[in-house]
Amino acid sequence: AQSVTQPDIHITVSEGASLELRCNYSYGATPYLFWYVQSPGQGLQLLLKYFSGDTLVQGIKGFEAEFKRSQSSFNLRKPSVHWSDAAEYFCAVGASGSARQLTFGSGTQLTVLP
Amino acid sequence: DGGITQSPKYLFRKEGQNVTLSCEQNLNHDAMYWYRQDPGQGLRLIYYSQIVNDFQKGDIAEGYSVSREKKESFPLTVTSAQKNPTAFYLCASSITGGPGELFFGEGSRLTVL
Repeated sequence: AQSVTQPDIHITVSEGASLELRCNYSYGATPYLFWYVQSPGQGLQLLLKYFSGDTLVQGIKGFEAEFKRSQSSFNLRKPSVHWSDAAEYFCAVGASGSARQLTFGSGTQLTVLP
Repeated sequence: DGGITQSPKYLFRKEGQNVTLSCEQNLNHDAMYWYRQDPGQGLRLIYYSQIVNDFQKGDIAEGYSVSREKKESFPLTVTSAQKNPTAFYLCASSITGGPGELFFGEGSRLTVL
């Protein structure tokens, strides 16, 4: 069965600092990988996704993520964090052709200090 | 604008009552999903539907029921059999059965008094 681990429950960074959120997955074949962001009391919005090809993927709001098969990781990065990036971030993994869609990690809460 | 509308946003229920959460989409998506979100547990799949008049149980279907009579609508009923119903419920849709981008509603928060 597929699974996702987000080791960091809560991360605090200063505005303008760089950010890396960790995501490790377990899946037997090439996974479909996603990062979603959730503002308080809201639904989730897709930041970026990886299906195949270039292992460095660009997303919205200046985010990027790198797929590393050897490490079973799909870490999310941003060079310079803005106060509006404060939210909860979810990594998710899906299986090709699976109608059950995605398995989500438990999330990482990001706090941005002024 | 296209999207997913969930209602009500906040709902309070007494123990022993059934409640129904509404989910409507105008994205013309075939697949729809219900997730439950609890602090520190991410999202867990309750039910999903790939086509009208058909739906499947997810990982935590006990105590919940759904219907899919129209492509646009996928209501979720939280029954009195659900032992711990207080949670944030999210409806989502996608173009196909998966996996692909999920489009989410803004959620419904259910509190049992």
